[in-house]
Amino acid sequence: AQSVTQPDIHITVSEGASLELRCNYSYGATPYLFWYVQSPGQGLQLLLKYFSGDTLVQGIKGFEAEFKRSQSSFNLRKPSVHWSDAAEYFCAVAPLSGSARQLTFGSGTQLTVLP
Amino acid sequence: EAQVTQNPRYLITVTGKKLTVTCSQNMNHEYMSWYRQDPGLGLRQIYYSMNVEVTDKGDVPEGYKVSRKEKRNFPLILESPSPNQTSLYFCASRSLQGAKETQYFGPGTRLLVL
Repeated sequence: AQSVTQPDIHITVSEGASLELRCNYSYGATPYLFWYVQSPGQGLQLLLKYFSGDTLVQGIKGFEAEFKRSQSSFNLRKPSVHWSDAAEYFCAVAPLSGSARQLTFGSGTQLTVLP
Repeated sequence: EAQVTQNPRYLITVTGKKLTVTCSQNMNHEYMSWYRQDPGLGLRQIYYSMNVEVTDKGDVPEGYKVSRKEKRNFPLILESPSPNQTSLYFCASRSLQGAKETQYFGPGTRLLVL
């Protein structure tokens, strides 16, 4: 069964500092990969997704993620964090084939931004 | 505006009292699903639907029912709620059309079962 691991439950960074959130997946073949953000009291918003091609994916709000097949990782990065980035971040995977294509989520990483 | 709506947003109920959480989307999406979110566990899928009258179990279906009589609506039914169903629930929808599909989430329903 596919699984997603986000090893960092909580990360604290200062505003303006760089950010990297880790995501590792376990799956038989390269799946579709996603990062979602959940602001307090809000639903989930898609930041970016990887299906194929260039392994560096650009998303909204200045985020990017890099797919590394050899490490089964899809880490999310941002060069300079803003206070409004404080939120919970979820990595998710879905199989390439099959129209059901269920999303499997990691347990999330809570980001705190210090002024 | 593309939207998934859920009602109610907050609900407090007692054990055994049947309740329904409604979900509606305005994007003509075929695929709809329900998730529950619990601390440290991320989101887990309860049920999903590929189209009208087509539903199937997700990872944690016990204690829940769904129906899909219309394409836009996908209600979640708790026939006899129990305290372990206290959670944050999200409805989501997406199309089934290839690599451009994006899953849209509702704002969530926070349920407390006493």
